[in-house]
Amino acid sequence: QKEVEQNSGPLSVPEGAIASLNCTYSDRGSQSFFWYRQYSGKSPELIMSIYSNGDKEDGRFTAQLNKASQYVSLLIRDSQPSDSATYLCAVWMEYGNKLVFGAGTILRVKS
Amino acid sequence: DAEITQSPRHKITETGRQVTLACHQTWNHNNMFWYRQDLGHGLRLIHYSYGVQDTNKGEVSDGYSVSRSNTEDLPLTLESAASSQTSVYFCASSEVAGGPARDTQYFGPGTRLTVL
Repeated sequence: QKEVEQNSGPLSVPEGAIASLNCTYSDRGSQSFFWYRQYSGKSPELIMSIYSNGDKEDGRFTAQLNKASQYVSLLIRDSQPSDSATYLCAVWMEYGNKLVFGAGTILRVKS
Repeated sequence: DAEITQSPRHKITETGRQVTLACHQTWNHNNMFWYRQDLGHGLRLIHYSYGVQDTNKGEVSDGYSVSRSNTEDLPLTLESAASSQTSVYFCASSEVAGGPARDTQYFGPGTRLTVL
């Protein structure tokens, strides 16, 4: 089992729709979770971090965390073509003191 | 403006050669990281450093080495390049936000390395 798993996609959504990106992780003791966005040929950039169960909203982005289910998600409301990118879930693994990235989900927003 | 830079941006080398990739940050961050990114694997940690003279192995450290002689630089050396090391390499540094578990990592632009 991979430490951090994401569906590779691509996930295709129409412009204006809600895009839902999901991530599961193996370390039950993990406390810190991050979503990075990576455009093709570019470096990853942080979108959101979340540490507590529940929802955290920042503009059109909402991160959701459920530690009991070891599940973290990212919702993008009113999706725009400029949101088309690969979204990387990253989890701080307590047992190894390291940040582990998932393989990423490709999102395509169709205009 | 503070930034993190990598050089070269593209490199082609031959099997068996020693290669050094440079990473320089001007944020005065204590923490620096090297990752490689391959299709289907996401970002995998090669080496990291939490300060001058501190270096640690990541999950894919075989064939790589780093040294940290100052705060700004963490060069990555491939001792004897292999075709399996063809990849995109990213350097990152982190802003301490209450411990490494909550740090935001900022990434350099990447180096695309091809080993023939």
